[in-house]
Amino acid sequence: DAKTTQPPSMDCAEGRAANLPCNHSTISGNEYVYWYRQIHSQGPQYIIHGLKNNETNEMASLIITEDRKSSTLILPHATLRDTAVYYCIVRVEGPGGYQKVTFGIGTKLQVIP
Amino acid sequence: NAGVTQTPKFQVLKTGQSMTLQCAQDMNHEYMSWYRQDPGMGLRLIHYSVGAGITDQGEVPNGYNVSRSTTEDFPLRLLSAAPSQTSVYFCASGPVAGRNTGELFFGEGSRLTVL
Repeated sequence: DAKTTQPPSMDCAEGRAANLPCNHSTISGNEYVYWYRQIHSQGPQYIIHGLKNNETNEMASLIITEDRKSSTLILPHATLRDTAVYYCIVRVEGPGGYQKVTFGIGTKLQVIP
Repeated sequence: NAGVTQTPKFQVLKTGQSMTLQCAQDMNHEYMSWYRQDPGMGLRLIHYSVGAGITDQGEVPNGYNVSRSTTEDFPLRLLSAAPSQTSVYFCASGPVAGRNTGELFFGEGSRLTVL
């Protein structure tokens, strides 16, 4: 599976958009980009995933560059409850995609009042 | 739905003792796995299973055993605990076949201290 690079920490003002970048320059054509977050010491929580098109759900938007070498997770109106560690991972979908799912250290997002 | 349930939430062991961390899921997921999380290290995969009777090693399997006799349960055994196994352990599950979003569902974690 491709490796990912994320900044270790970021700050965002409450109510503003939080844009979290992820670099995955060695991504393969059949690998999806997934985002999870971990609030305090709870278990990680799935946010969103995509292959090459931009995706949006009730939690966030995912923007993937045309060459698929990087992506950005956007939290449109950050709240204090969005303070968490955000993980970007890449993996193939389907039965074989779980085997090598590992999480790096992620980006610690601090939302500031 | 209860989702993924881990027990116990907290445990203190002495070096050399054995114990089992329990993980159960009620979503009929084929895939289950165990991670450990240490400060500054992210989550590292210990063992995983893609169905009853099938298990395999992840990144850091040494010192841990697993078995998968049912779809619902995936216990993690420490046969002889060492201080290096002090960590927070997370169990996760996910669908393999059918409607597969690739989403992993995590338990709330089990905090283990080995003295």
